[in-house]
Amino acid sequence: SYELTQPPSVSVSPGQTASITCSGDKLGHKYVCWYQQKPGQSPVLVIYQDRKRPSGIPERFSGSNSGNTATLTISGTQAMDEADYYCQAWDSSTAGVFGTGTKVTVL
Amino acid sequence: EVQLVESGGGLVKPGGSLRLSCAASGFTFSSYSMNWVRQAPGKGLECVSSISSSSSYIYYADSVKGRFTISRDNAKNSLYLQMNSLRAEDTAVYYCAREYQQGCDYWGQGTLVTVSS
Repeated sequence: SYELTQPPSVSVSPGQTASITCSGDKLGHKYVCWYQQKPGQSPVLVIYQDRKRPSGIPERFSGSNSGNTATLTISGTQAMDEADYYCQAWDSSTAGVFGTGTKVTVL
Repeated sequence: EVQLVESGGGLVKPGGSLRLSCAASGFTFSSYSMNWVRQAPGKGLECVSSISSSSSYIYYADSVKGRFTISRDNAKNSLYLQMNSLRAEDTAVYYCAREYQQGCDYWGQGTLVTVSS
């Protein structure tokens, strides 16, 4: 089965840039989306189709996908961005596969 | 306003069955694929099952294949998940989510399923 690997945790200072990676075999050939989940809440879509932002998502969230790695970048990180982040890749044979998740801490 | 409201969760003994429902409103339900995603306590997200808009394409995770059945009733704007032969490892919050452009753009609040004797 297809697997996506994320770092368990990322720490960032307020105002700095946080980068979260998502690795999988030939991931660049698939579409990737990213979710933010805060404690006790449902996930929120922050990036879809590798780099598109849904309405209402701040511009500081951006995405890229190439080779075997997709990256979610949070520029000018704010305290409210502290959350768990999950990548998801879409494939015709496996539907949506989630990454292992990354806890972002804003120090 | 798009709304997804799950129901049907609860406590069930191993080997038992439950049927989850998801009531959709605020959008043309029949035009979207839908997903059931679960999250075990303190764990990550897992896509359990997906169904296309017309039910012509259905996906199951290996962990639930042969035990769970996804279905939908477009006339009633509802999504279902029939869960049989439940195991302790099926304990999780189950979310209903709308699929859009290779992403799930709306999620319900989730319903907790606990499998325990």
